[in-house]
Amino acid sequence: DSGVTQTPKHLITATGQRVTLRCSPRSGDLSVYWYQQSLDQGLQFLIHYYNGEERAKGNILERFSAQQFPDLHSELNLSSLELGDSALYFCASSKAGNSPLHFGNGTRLTVT
Amino acid sequence: AQKVTQAQTEISVVEKEDVTLDCVYETRDTTYYLFWYKQPPSGELVFLIRRNSFDEQNEISGRYSWNFQKSTSSFNFTITASQVVDSAVYFCALRADNYGQNFVFGPGTRLSVLP
Repeated sequence: DSGVTQTPKHLITATGQRVTLRCSPRSGDLSVYWYQQSLDQGLQFLIHYYNGEERAKGNILERFSAQQFPDLHSELNLSSLELGDSALYFCASSKAGNSPLHFGNGTRLTVT
Repeated sequence: AQKVTQAQTEISVVEKEDVTLDCVYETRDTTYYLFWYKQPPSGELVFLIRRNSFDEQNEISGRYSWNFQKSTSSFNFTITASQVVDSAVYFCALRADNYGQNFVFGPGTRLSVLP
């Protein structure tokens, strides 16, 4: 168990809808990262937050947004969903800059 | 820019064979960190090892060993006497600074260990 909690585990929704994925980092970790993994694809970096502030953006679509709250949990909001957004979405947390990322079990999103 | 290459897309071995997964990285930073992660069929991503750029000593953990060579910008991962439970996708990753998009993952190598 990595200590990173992601909810829900599975999400099935229709095109055009909006969903929110939630992540609780490990205790003491200030950094939260979001990654997208499409079928048989690698890990695509979406966004990084550190102690409530956005630190970096990757290839994140404008339809996607995220935030990190004062209690350090993070939410990833996906709107106007398309079939191509179906993927496994991972959250990861870490302590200092050179610490490893610890990943949650992911949220599997299916857009029908 | 930072980049991680894992040239082996898929590898199949028979149980008890040794197998090496290659990882080549690119960075201009002198301080950086390299990581390996395992993603078994169940889907979770498991951290295996971290190595910093100043420590070129090889590391062994049970059947796993890692060979870090700065001269060739490589951080290869060897599994000795492979087992079926080693079947997974393995990702190599690079972190080169403290800000920005600082974890760069390779495309992964899918290892299948056949009984």
